[in-house]
Amino acid sequence: ETGVTQTPRHLVMGMTNKKSLKCEQHLGHNAMYWYKQSAKKPLELMFVYNFKEQTENNSVPSRFSPECPNSSHLFLHLHTLQPEDSALYLCASSQADSAGGSYEQYFGPGTRLTVT
Amino acid sequence: RKEVEQDPGPFNVPEGATVAFNCTYSNSASQSFFWYRQDCRKEPKLLMSVYSSGNEDGRFTAQLNRASQYISLLIRDSKLSDSATYLCVSDSWGKLQFGAGTQVVVTP
Repeated sequence: ETGVTQTPRHLVMGMTNKKSLKCEQHLGHNAMYWYKQSAKKPLELMFVYNFKEQTENNSVPSRFSPECPNSSHLFLHLHTLQPEDSALYLCASSQADSAGGSYEQYFGPGTRLTVT
Repeated sequence: RKEVEQDPGPFNVPEGATVAFNCTYSNSASQSFFWYRQDCRKEPKLLMSVYSSGNEDGRFTAQLNRASQYISLLIRDSKLSDSATYLCVSDSWGKLQFGAGTQVVVTP
């Protein structure tokens, strides 16, 4: 499936590095999301963009910085991460209506991040 | 209290058998629900949406009990390929809350 793509699929970075994760959706959706999934834990919502506007930031540390240049692309810029930030980072997209409701979310394959 | 709670399992199921498990949610304002399946080291994939009292899709049946605030998933005639972690999700105005998942292992 190529509905939602993410690059890179794997990333190893040092604590002083700066890197970016990229997500692209080909489904014509207008909402995009970043999630973090750590081992044996529920998915944690990080950021939500509806109609390219950030509508949610779930108390995420500033070392994670999202960017949504258009409704099809979403980035997560990373800098000075900590080892506990190692996780699977998943991007998702959905169709959202103007009232704030949304429909099913479709996920990309994720970026498995290891911080050394 | 977690917003969405699931029995982590694993549920060990002989091939061909039926397995059912529940998910409880705490937000009574939740409007819709989803079941996703997630294979090891892969992304969640949508299995089923539940907007009213339930939904059925082939061997999979989801039932929603709003009074008791739980959703169930039943898998009939289990296949080896059904082995996965099943994630329960509640949706309240676009805010999804995920459970930690229930692991199902189908054995030959």
